[in-house]
Amino acid sequence: GAGVSQSPRYKVAKRGQDVALRCDPISGHVSLFWYQQALGQGPEFLTYFQNEAQLDKSGLPSDRFFAERPEGSVSTLKIQRTQQEDSAVYLCASSLAGVNYGYTFGSGTRLTVV
Amino acid sequence: GQQLNQSPQSMFIQEGEDVSMNCTSSSIFNTWLWYKQDPGEGPVLLIALYKAGELTSNGRLTAQFGITRKDSFLNISASIPSDVGIYFCAGRPDAYSGAGSYQLTFGKGTKLSVIP
Repeated sequence: GAGVSQSPRYKVAKRGQDVALRCDPISGHVSLFWYQQALGQGPEFLTYFQNEAQLDKSGLPSDRFFAERPEGSVSTLKIQRTQQEDSAVYLCASSLAGVNYGYTFGSGTRLTVV
Repeated sequence: GQQLNQSPQSMFIQEGEDVSMNCTSSSIFNTWLWYKQDPGEGPVLLIALYKAGELTSNGRLTAQFGITRKDSFLNISASIPSDVGIYFCAGRPDAYSGAGSYQLTFGKGTKLSVIP
């Protein structure tokens, strides 16, 4: 597609519920990133994929967070047993590998845990 | 970990005025990026800087990569109402790498309001 597409745009989850957030990167982009943006803050790195390989997951805040990209295109960020502190906008971005410019972000999924 | 200090946090300016915002880091970055984020949208890249001392323009926007590699500034000239939004600086330690992380560290943003 023309841009990075994320779904759903909004998600309300009850505390303890599992959620899955989807990202469709720009076609041909081998690098994919997930960022978490709390209200009033800048985005913070969660994890990075190159094709299907998860090369860096150092930003995932706990073992309740899990990301996958099994075929090197669509990615899913899963959060198990959601907590209120998980409420944030989750941004996905993609880029061409080995090219030095800022990558393209999607519009994000706003997760609210109640 | 690395932190970016971005200032000012917010600005209210009259349409037509020039704007300046800056970002400083506790450690060296080899790439500096400036993004703009509108409500409900993801950040959009405005300017990318790759060399210390580099000065780059994009229309009414000008950004510079500090000589120490620990700071950058963004100027907007002759502001217009559509400049309203939140501006983020972001830094990356690796200028170019065929492999490895492209992780960005973001500042907390400068919220710009333009009074017509």
